[in-house]
Amino acid sequence: QSVLTQPPSASGTPGQRVSISCSGSPSSIGSNTVDWYQHLPGTAPQLLIYENDRRPSGIPARFSASKAGTSASLAISGLQSQDEADYYCAAWDGSLNAYVFGSGTRVTVL
Amino acid sequence: EVQLVQSGAEAKKPGESLKVSCQTSGYNFPNNWIGWVRQTPGNGLEWMGIIYPGDSDTRYGPSFQGQVTISADKSINTVYLHWSSLKASDTGMYFCARRTAGGSEIDYWGQGTLVTVS
Repeated sequence: QSVLTQPPSASGTPGQRVSISCSGSPSSIGSNTVDWYQHLPGTAPQLLIYENDRRPSGIPARFSASKAGTSASLAISGLQSQDEADYYCAAWDGSLNAYVFGSGTRVTVL
Repeated sequence: EVQLVQSGAEAKKPGESLKVSCQTSGYNFPNNWIGWVRQTPGNGLEWMGIIYPGDSDTRYGPSFQGQVTISADKSINTVYLHWSSLKASDTGMYFCARRTAGGSEIDYWGQGTLVTVS
């Protein structure tokens, strides 16, 4: 059972905006920054967002994220077919002394 | 260019031992935490643990403490993941993963090593 809770699935049509939530605890998201990863089947995960809302170079501005209290969210605007993937939030948990991943959300483009 | 290249797929029987490797290049190996992430269909991504090659300080995720050993060889810029006695439940894809120098996020990943135990 993951320490960070995400909805199992989300979907949208091309061009729409999709949002994914990530719920944690005071010792995880409440005390540390949140990262987001995109995982396409058969490939290595890719860092999408780090330190709550920062995008690495090469990540389109369509991907944005925020954090408030013990929760965070990722938004994908202008949804494209290549965005179909699993998305994971992650954060350091001070109580577990471990980096924890969310349960993952499968995004489907209808 | 930073690269993490993992050893190939393994098929093992329960009770056997296994060590998988991740050879790195393109950066100063001792100065970044590097570790392992497991992916299974039922459990998504799971952080197994990390090691700081500079002083071999090692941390393990709660589910993996005592189950695996992470080690590093600074002379060949390589990190290892070792099982002394595999279980069927160890079946999965294993990724080595480098943490950024200043934060907790993972900025580079290996290509993955599929381990099948049956």
